[in-house]
Amino acid sequence: DQQVKQNSPSLSVQEGRISILNCDYTNSMFDYFLWYKKYPAEGPTFLISISSIKDKNEDGRFTVFLNKSAKHLSLHIVPSQPGDSAVYFCAASWVSGGSNYKLTFGKGTLLTVNP
Amino acid sequence: DTGVSQDPRHKITKRGQNVTFRCDPISEHNRLYWYRQTLGQGPEFLTYFQNEAQLEKSRLLSDRFSAERPKGSFSTLEIQRTEQGDSAMYLCASSLAGTGTHNEQFFGPGTRLTVL
Repeated sequence: DQQVKQNSPSLSVQEGRISILNCDYTNSMFDYFLWYKKYPAEGPTFLISISSIKDKNEDGRFTVFLNKSAKHLSLHIVPSQPGDSAVYFCAASWVSGGSNYKLTFGKGTLLTVNP
Repeated sequence: DTGVSQDPRHKITKRGQNVTFRCDPISEHNRLYWYRQTLGQGPEFLTYFQNEAQLEKSRLLSDRFSAERPKGSFSTLEIQRTEQGDSAMYLCASSLAGTGTHNEQFFGPGTRLTVL
């Protein structure tokens, strides 16, 4: 059962334009969401996160939007740069008994930013 | 370099052999996680340590897998009697968090295991 879903395996965007990566989740217990970027042969790199008490969080070119009623979040990258080309993973977690913070990941979306 | 480090980066072994991986977390981090990633999938949680205590193990972690974190510092993940299905990228992550707070986990570069 895939609790975090990234339905677009790939996305291609022109340099300077906006990239929008989407993520859906099914577990209503999730209360914290994160985006990671991964280059080949490297581990995932943390990008940005959002708590379920917020609907938007912004950090430079990266903005994450959360729609709790739709169980949907998105990552916006503006403007997109060729160096942003990577696999982007959506992840979610929840406080369970105050001790468990494991992350549940989607399958990832390969973003290609063309010069 | 003060990030999470993993050793080795690559391991090729024959089916039936035992392998051990090491992870050195960011020094002040009290939590350490192991994940496994296969082709086309996101990382999947295997196990989690708070200091030296192993607090949760996924059902993915069969009896052939064992993880330790002596003294709450580095951690090792051992796979006994490896099978071809164990071929994957094994990722280690660490975080610093107090009770009731969420945490960003910082990942190492991973150990890619190939079982022939």
